[in-house]
Amino acid sequence: DTGVSQNPRHKITKRGQNVTFRCDPISEHNRLYWYRQTLGQGPEFLTYFQNEAQLEKSRLLSDRFSAERPKGSFSTLEIQRTEQGDSAMYLCASRSPAQGATETQYFGPGTRLLVL
Amino acid sequence: AQSVTQPDIHITVSEGASLELRCNYSYGATPYLFWYVQSPGQGLQLLLKYFSGDTLVQGIKGFEAEFKRSQSSFNLRKPSVHWSDAAEYFCAVGAVGGTASKLTFGTGTRLQVTL
Repeated sequence: DTGVSQNPRHKITKRGQNVTFRCDPISEHNRLYWYRQTLGQGPEFLTYFQNEAQLEKSRLLSDRFSAERPKGSFSTLEIQRTEQGDSAMYLCASRSPAQGATETQYFGPGTRLLVL
Repeated sequence: AQSVTQPDIHITVSEGASLELRCNYSYGATPYLFWYVQSPGQGLQLLLKYFSGDTLVQGIKGFEAEFKRSQSSFNLRKPSVHWSDAAEYFCAVGAVGGTASKLTFGTGTRLQVTL
């Protein structure tokens, strides 16, 4: 069990550029979540995958955001035409289905995005 | 919709002193409750969780939390704080509807430990 990994750990980009983040969940976990955490706030739910199916999206996920999990393993989160308000820490978490809703979500270290 | 309130933004305690971090939740049914800790620049680590049964739950690093349904609270406690406990602490409630079980977090409490 190597834990949830995220790449890159830090990203600085200019406004209007596209960025893509990657999340590799714990290998046997079929549930994968994306959260966004802005300065001084707790993480906020963005979207959720069960295997390769994206089952829920928050209203926070504007049409500039897209997430995929093509083979039910790693996931990518892309932000198009970045804005300064997109600056945040993007956290990925994964969960085993073994105990249903009570199972713990394990978080990765996050990708910190700064949009200049 | 569920929500979590952590009324204390910042708390300072002396090393060796006791600690209590407050958490109040709003949820229409029996909640699933969690406490996570986040060190600077790091992801979140689970300290403990409550689903059912004994309302006093034990976690890692000597932390415990008590679920009080009548007060809609899930306060985190530690009898003797260590300098390494300095971090940000988040309370979260799990949504049970459907299959998502997404978490709703409070805004966090930053703990500072003085020597």
